[in-house]
Amino acid sequence: DAEITQSPRHKITETGRQVTLACHQTWNHNNMFWYRQDLGHGLRLIHYSYGVHDTNKGEVSDGYSVSRSNTEDLPLTLESAASSQTSVYFCASSTGPPGELFFGEGSRLTVL
Amino acid sequence: AQTVTQSQPEMSVQEAETVTLSCTYDTSESDYYLFWYKQPPSRQMILVIRQEAYKQQNATENRFSVNFQKAAKSFSLKISDSQLGDAAMYFCAYRSNNNNDMRFGAGTRLTVKP
Repeated sequence: DAEITQSPRHKITETGRQVTLACHQTWNHNNMFWYRQDLGHGLRLIHYSYGVHDTNKGEVSDGYSVSRSNTEDLPLTLESAASSQTSVYFCASSTGPPGELFFGEGSRLTVL
Repeated sequence: AQTVTQSQPEMSVQEAETVTLSCTYDTSESDYYLFWYKQPPSRQMILVIRQEAYKQQNATENRFSVNFQKAAKSFSLKISDSQLGDAAMYFCAYRSNNNNDMRFGAGTRLTVKP
């Protein structure tokens, strides 16, 4: 069965360190997304990609970057982790509208 | 940018009863799609129901149905015969037909009392 997987599921890091969260999907979807989930804010879009070598900023992109070198993967990098980036991160993929988004199981990141 | 508002941070319902979760959205577009997702304690995001804006008929999936009021930009979720397994966080979401991203509301935490 096709799926979307995230790693690591849990990570603790220190302020200032670089962190990369991996996302891998086997749906062969062109569209991939990164969201962060915080209490009271729901899911907020960080970055998204419509295909290989395409990346776009979402509503909360400061401090984050992504790259898309193939269809299956969209890693999310925090260049210099900050305590404000402590959150649960979700990766998702989809076909174009009206398709639903298929989500990974989330990665909980704690920045101390 | 489109915004999605869920005005009820928490709701509770008695088992076997009916509950309605509210959602409103702001858009200038005429062609879009609306979704309700469920997030149980496992954290997995599960699609509950989807509505195309061009369809007047409200979507239904078993015990879940929506009341879609396009002019009012309202998209509420009704859960009938509530079950303990319905307890979860519920997110309303908007997806434009013009761009590919999906925007979410802040969520409503539903508690089901036995």
